[in-house]
Amino acid sequence: SAVISQKPSRDICQRGTSLTIQCQVDSQVTMMFWYRQQPGQSLTLIATANQGSEATYESGFVIDKFPISRPNLTFSTLTVSNMSPEDSSIYLCSVVLAGGYEQFFGPGTRLTVL
Amino acid sequence: DAKTTQPTSMDCAEGRAANLPCNHSTISGNEYVYWYRQIHSQGPQYIIHGLKNNETNEMASLIITEDRKSSTLILPHATLRDTAVYYCIVNGAGNNRKLIWGLGTSLAVNP
Repeated sequence: SAVISQKPSRDICQRGTSLTIQCQVDSQVTMMFWYRQQPGQSLTLIATANQGSEATYESGFVIDKFPISRPNLTFSTLTVSNMSPEDSSIYLCSVVLAGGYEQFFGPGTRLTVL
Repeated sequence: DAKTTQPTSMDCAEGRAANLPCNHSTISGNEYVYWYRQIHSQGPQYIIHGLKNNETNEMASLIITEDRKSSTLILPHATLRDTAVYYCIVNGAGNNRKLIWGLGTSLAVNP
């Protein structure tokens, strides 16, 4: 398994500002993903974080709004830019270990935008 | 990836087996069936996965029908801590590990 930490665990932000969320894994992983979970909803995949190259975004998500970095095999960041109240969600990172099938999830970052 | 259909909610008495069904009639030959759960305010947790054979681990059993069009997750002795939303997902066996999440089944284990 993998131990995943996310920072911050929660934040309250003002409209128009940006927040960067960090995801740290205790072992090298092959794949990292970022998800959003809006209140009362299921998880929606934002993007696949690629090590050393640009992230691969899902339909409806763009790099200008959700820039992602993954400088190495154990760390990634997601920035929520120019926030609005509609961005209030839980943001989760997940990883897949080499040779594995299951995804391991971080505890999530609960974001509230006022 | 194939779609899945699950009941919106279920109840189970503590200590009894919880049987959670999932329909995935459009599943293709190389797609696995995965089960995850999400306890309130936590990140999802992997439970089990299978291709065509029944699988069992320390958490649960997965029963897949012979035609693979449906499956059942069995929690043999449900506890209050098993109260969660359970997600059934089908995903290909390739390098793409993207998971498409439905609404899942909200399981309430009652004392």
